[in-house]
Amino acid sequence: QKEVEQDPGPLSVPEGAIVSLNCTYSNSAFQYFMWYRQYSRKGPELLMYTYSSGNKEDGRFTAQVDKSSKYISLFIRDSQPSDSATYLCAITSYGKLTFGQGTILTVHP
Amino acid sequence: GAGVSQSPSNKVTEKGKDVELRCDPISGHTALYWYRQSLGQGLEFLIYFQGNSAPDKSGLPSDRFSAERTGGSVSTLTIQRTQQEDSAVYLCASSGGHVDNSPLHFGNGTRLTVT
Repeated sequence: QKEVEQDPGPLSVPEGAIVSLNCTYSNSAFQYFMWYRQYSRKGPELLMYTYSSGNKEDGRFTAQVDKSSKYISLFIRDSQPSDSATYLCAITSYGKLTFGQGTILTVHP
Repeated sequence: GAGVSQSPSNKVTEKGKDVELRCDPISGHTALYWYRQSLGQGLEFLIYFQGNSAPDKSGLPSDRFSAERTGGSVSTLTIQRTQQEDSAVYLCASSGGHVDNSPLHFGNGTRLTVT
């Protein structure tokens, strides 16, 4: 079993939809939870970062962490075609950063 | 430049040849990471530098892979006797602090194709 599991999709939604991206993890020692966005032929860029259970909002994006269930989510409200990218969850523990496989999202007009 | 720079952006090589991939991190960033991304796969950790030393080389897939960092800045990843399974995008990232609470800044990668 991989330490971080992420549904690879692909996910295709209409513009304006609410998108839910999810990861599960197995190691309770994981401490910090991040979401990266990667456009085609570009490097990943940090989108959201949190270390506690609960929700964190930034504009149209909400990161949710449930440590008891070892489950993290990223919600995108009012999705836009410019949100089309690969989304990677990443979790750290004592200096080790582990990525999920990435979910390919397409938002069509 | 303001970001992490990687060169070349694309590299096509014949099986059995050696290749060198270069990474210029953000100025002042002490931590440097190499990852590999294959089609449909997530990011696979290769090696991590803190300054010029590599405390974690656990991700290097074989002894054909090596990396060095000089002057606490530029890093090169060398793959000897390349194989077709080495074809992937090699990503470099740098960070100004500890990975737990400092985000990684990625370059755009080197796309390696071994024919």
